[in-house]
Amino acid sequence: QSALTQPASVSGSPGQPITISCTGTSSDVGGYNYVSWYQQHPGKAPKLMIYDVSNRPSGVSNRFSGSKSGNTASLTISGLQAEDEADYYCSSYTSTSTLVFGGGTKLTVL
Amino acid sequence: EVQLLESGGGLVQPGGSLRLSCAASGFTFNNYAMSWVRQAPGKGLEWVSGISGSGSTTNYADSVKGRFTISRDNSKSTLYLQMNSLRADDTAIYYCAKVSVAGVYRSPFDYWGQGTLVTVSS
Repeated sequence: QSALTQPASVSGSPGQPITISCTGTSSDVGGYNYVSWYQQHPGKAPKLMIYDVSNRPSGVSNRFSGSKSGNTASLTISGLQAEDEADYYCSSYTSTSTLVFGGGTKLTVL
Repeated sequence: EVQLLESGGGLVQPGGSLRLSCAASGFTFNNYAMSWVRQAPGKGLEWVSGISGSGSTTNYADSVKGRFTISRDNSKSTLYLQMNSLRADDTAIYYCAKVSVAGVYRSPFDYWGQGTLVTVSS
């Protein structure tokens, strides 16, 4: 149950797009379309932003989108806004019926 | 309105035990799988354990298997985590989380509690 691999940090200017990658194996990300992305602001509980690779829950901005290719999933935020500055975590269902998270990515809006 | 309220955290010595509770309201509790997710200070999220709506299916992360036990009392709409043989690296905020789709164990978490802090230290 090794954690999924995410970049420790990414940054971008307001209005620019950014992409966060999440790399796993064929036993998790590559084997199932059950990848989710969570946003966490300091001192707050995580918030679901993307589920089942590319679906947005009601109320989440359409600036957030998800995709997957092989063992790597990606979260893209288009048109960065100041309030997007937060930590982002990917997660995936696994072949052992468990869940695994990525190490997290700190997004800085410059 | 869905609410999840954790309790039971605190300071415990290495090797000790603690039981966390998560009181749920605002939804039909026994229809939804639940999980515990923890976050060590300044670190990332770690899934700890999950349980199906009926309680018949449970799963654990390797890091806690054999030491932690997840359970639920659907008559009380409450989720539990019994933690034994606690170690320093179990120190974390423990969140309970509800899956988004009734009856689907692997669906994502749409609601989280605010967490309860567990500190393992002598």
